[in-house]
Amino acid sequence: EAGVTQFPSHSVIEKGQTVTLRCDPISGHDNLYWYRRVMGKEIKFLLHFVKESKQDESGMPNNRFLAERTGGTYSTLKVQPAELEDSGVYFCASSQSLADTQYFGPGTRLTVL
Amino acid sequence: QKEVEQNSGPLSVPEGAIASLNCTYSDRGSQSFFWYRQYSGKSPELIMSIYSNGDKEDGRFTAQLNKASQYVSLLIRDSQPSDSATYLCASRNAGNMLTFGGGTRLMVKP
Repeated sequence: EAGVTQFPSHSVIEKGQTVTLRCDPISGHDNLYWYRRVMGKEIKFLLHFVKESKQDESGMPNNRFLAERTGGTYSTLKVQPAELEDSGVYFCASSQSLADTQYFGPGTRLTVL
Repeated sequence: QKEVEQNSGPLSVPEGAIASLNCTYSDRGSQSFFWYRQYSGKSPELIMSIYSNGDKEDGRFTAQLNKASQYVSLLIRDSQPSDSATYLCASRNAGNMLTFGGGTRLMVKP
């Protein structure tokens, strides 16, 4: 069974540009989570989808971040416009039900210059 | 105060020794606790979860939880060089989001 996959693995963009990160959860997992780790800090929660609905988006830093999960399968996280402080590693995780283990993807390393 | 605190390390132990990793948390509403292992550049991988006070053993790993003291620990017996990684402690509340500590880097020396 394939794990959580994320694309791209690395992205380098300039301040003010737009970047879209993609996450494909484990097949059949209704719950999808986005987290990020900025330099020197701990991994922090961004938001949680149950199927295509946003269950909790309390961790989204500001309105430059937009997450979608159309159709309840893969998810995208768009940053527009990107700022320097958005640099970090963005992780996606999925779980079958709410109380189940969250399985993490390899992350996308975003560098904003 | 951070919600989940860990010593960043590095914690260095010789091969074959017991590695002891510690974590404290501040949210008394936290219901479950997890230890993830992360190799450099890789995804965090769950190695232990614990939900009630006491010890939980799985192979060479033992997780310990003390809710009164708000303390979680992970013991790795017979440490191997392949155990060298960053160990992340996380708590989960009713909202299902994980709250992570900063991680402890473990180095097991042959």
